[in-house]
Amino acid sequence: QVELVESGGGVVQPGESLRLSCEASGFIISAFGMHWVRQAPGKGLEWVAFIGSDGSETYYADAVKGRFTISRDNSKNTLYLQMNSLRSEDTAVYYCAIRDFYMDVWGNGTTVTVSS
Amino acid sequence: DIQMTQSPSTLSASVGDRVTITCRASQGISTWLAWYQQKPGKAPKLLIFKASTLESGVPSRFSGSGSGTEFSLTISSLQPDDFATYYCQQYNDYVITFGQGTRLEMK
Repeated sequence: QVELVESGGGVVQPGESLRLSCEASGFIISAFGMHWVRQAPGKGLEWVAFIGSDGSETYYADAVKGRFTISRDNSKNTLYLQMNSLRSEDTAVYYCAIRDFYMDVWGNGTTVTVSS
Repeated sequence: DIQMTQSPSTLSASVGDRVTITCRASQGISTWLAWYQQKPGKAPKLLIFKASTLESGVPSRFSGSGSGTEFSLTISSLQPDDFATYYCQQYNDYVITFGQGTRLEMK
């Protein structure tokens, strides 16, 4: 069964850091590009970042560029999102998803709350 | 970045109705467009990619059309399970953008 499971969310203060993980099971992620997408409470979907299958290409939304870093460890079948200098507007459910362009498999999300 | 604008923002309909949601891109994106369905508290579900290709397992009452800047998602006969929020997403370039969503509610 193909599954993505996110972890690492929590409550942090503004300016702090957090690292999210997304572990895949039932398939090998090394063949696929992967994304992080977030959804603020009561709001729509917002694409955050993409990483190519071998990790050599990365792209970011302007809202997180310079603060967030997407990475992957194909040997661990795991995707990561390092989030630094967190702001209140980063509060959201963070989903990981696979496929180079559209996203056909999604995790259930992990919640990040940035609050003082 | 390419902006995606969906209309309407909210759509009220009844079981059995035919409904259409529109998505407009701020510049041409060929057919590099996907549609997703999301229910409260759940992850989005891919319905259609490449503007009109139905994802495996998605009921045939869902269909997509369009190219360039104008796209639509049509549900031919609404079923109770279809009341949800729908999003379009362009992938013309690596900076991906979603529409703001269309909430399909029961009339």
